[in-house]
This record gives sequence, C-alpha cells and structure tokens, in this order.
Amino acid sequence: GQSLEQPSEVTAVEGAIVQINCTYQTSGFYGLSWYQQHDGGAPTFLSYNALDGLEETGRFSSFLSRSDSYGYLLLQELQMKDSASYFCAVRDDKIIFGKGTRLHILP
Amino acid sequence: GAGVSQTPSNKVTEKGKYVELRCDPISGHTALYWYRQSLGQGPEFLIYFQGTGAADDSGLPNDRFFAVRPEGSVSTLKIQRTERGDSAVYLCASSPLSGGDGTDTQYFGPGTRLTVL
Repeated sequence: GQSLEQPSEVTAVEGAIVQINCTYQTSGFYGLSWYQQHDGGAPTFLSYNALDGLEETGRFSSFLSRSDSYGYLLLQELQMKDSASYFCAVRDDKIIFGKGTRLHILP
Repeated sequence: GAGVSQTPSNKVTEKGKYVELRCDPISGHTALYWYRQSLGQGPEFLIYFQGTGAADDSGLPNDRFFAVRPEGSVSTLKIQRTERGDSAVYLCASSPLSGGDGTDTQYFGPGTRLTVL
C-alpha cells in the first residue's frame, strides 16, 4: 500500500530549531512537498523537493533522500505563529498527504 | 479572484439528501483537485481535473460522489444520498501545471465544512 509516516506532535521552544521527519512508501514518486495548515485554515505550500538534498526558503528548509524514502522539514528561529500542523505530501500519479504533525511552540 | 474560493463555507444537510459544493480556481490554472479532510487527518485525494476532463477519479469513495468541470474553470462536487460518514471539510486546490514533474504548487481554497445530520 501507499503510506506516509510523520510524528503526530512535536513541541519546541520559541527561537529554537525543530525538524519534522517524513518517511514514505509509494508505488511511484515525483517529489515530496510540505504544507502548513493553521487551525481552521487551508493548507499552504511551503516547499518541494524532487531531487536529493536540501532546499532552503527563508527560515524553512526541506531535505530529501530518495534512496531512503525519507525527508524532513526544518524550521529555524521558531516564532509563535509557526504553531500549526505540517503535512508532507508525495506526488505519485496523484498527491498523497501524510496525517500531519502538530507543532506546539512554547514561549 | 485572487485565490481559490469555495462555496458554501458551511453546509448542514440531512442524511439522504443531495449536496453540491462549488470551487472557483485561480484564473488560468488548468489543474484542479478535490480533497476531503477529517479532523486530525491529512487531506484525502478525491479527484483531479486537467482542463475539463477528470484525469484521475480514483479517490472518489463510491458512486454517490461525482464531480464536473464543464468549462475547465469552476468545478462542482456532487454527493448523492449523503451519509453521516460524509461529514468532513471538502477542500479544493488549483495549480497552473499538470504535475508529473511535481513542481506544481497547489493553492488551496478555504474549504466547505459539510455536516450530515
């Protein structure tokens, strides 16, 4: 079957760095995306990796290892507004989302 | 419009009724996706349109669900004989590209919260 695994919850302190991991098992693979969703809001695109390595966009970075079927989202200089759910998603022939990681940020 | 819009924002219906959910994608976006999201879960793929045609409808749970996009822009998700288990937030997303190379960012609408009593 096709599945994505990510931790259900992560807690970090304001100003710190946090990493959210995602492992996937899919029949096909074009790339790994990350989306952020605040409570009651719509998912918003954060990053995309099609090739191995690290992609950096401001405070957020995303990493992919295709050989390990693994990726992560790295959030630096955490701010309270980063409290949200974060979803990894794999593009196969369609988009498959993980169940999401709820990020709690402590002051 | 500036973003993807969905109407209604909330829909309460009774078991067995028919509902239609509407999605207005970003102008010029050729790809349109429907998802369903339950509390504490990620979006669950339902159907994907490329232009007017349904390129992949493998996520539709059964034949009570149907979606159209007759002019390649606005899409309507139709649910017949609604059941309590259909209660969820239905999300629509659009993208300027068809995917495959995977570089297409999806822009999500605010969703329609469907409650079946």
